[in-house]
Amino acid sequence: GAGVSQTPSNKVTEKGKYVELRCDPISGHTALYWYRQSLGQGPEFLIYFQGTGAADDSGLPNDRFFAVRPEGSVSTLKIQRTERGDSAVYLCASSLGGGDSYEQYFGPGTRLTVT
Amino acid sequence: DAKTTQPPSMDCAEGRAANLPCNHSTISGNEYVYWYRQIHSQGPQYIIHGLKNNETNEMASLIITEDRKSSTLILPHATLRDTAVYYCIVRVAFSGGYNKLIFGAGTRLAVHP
Repeated sequence: GAGVSQTPSNKVTEKGKYVELRCDPISGHTALYWYRQSLGQGPEFLIYFQGTGAADDSGLPNDRFFAVRPEGSVSTLKIQRTERGDSAVYLCASSLGGGDSYEQYFGPGTRLTVT
Repeated sequence: DAKTTQPPSMDCAEGRAANLPCNHSTISGNEYVYWYRQIHSQGPQYIIHGLKNNETNEMASLIITEDRKSSTLILPHATLRDTAVYYCIVRVAFSGGYNKLIFGAGTRLAVHP
């Protein structure tokens, strides 16, 4: 079946611009996660949605970052006034539920480059 | 949060078993050990997880020591396609029960012919 998809696969933007990154989770998965991965490092947790609500946004680095999931399916990560330090691969993952035994399925990521 | 320690890199000959160690000496009694791997330019892929007992699935085996302070992921017959970064993760347990994964730097496994 279809896995987690993310668009665009690559995004190049200028410093100061606004960007939106989209995640389509696996159908029926209620839990959705965003992670950020800088070069040579492991993924870093950003935010978790259970349904439509952000249950944990403690990983968002500052108020320039915001994410929504209005209908409990597709999610959009929004970055305002982008900075060069925001350059990274942004990963989305989904799972059936939030509990211990539910593995997370990751998308291929969006590579964001801020010039 | 319990932290994990893994060697930065390992080599393995194709067809041989790859044994990837992980130390998690501060693990709590209700925290699981998860293993994910990340092949170049792809998102991480779930491999296996366990709490106390050893676990096996079609991809790998997970051996957890009796004191739960360390574990070993075993790929019984490594292939070139197993070349990846392997992450050992101790699940952070929140009251909401969700699965917030805290990734370290992982072990870069290189399988060679």
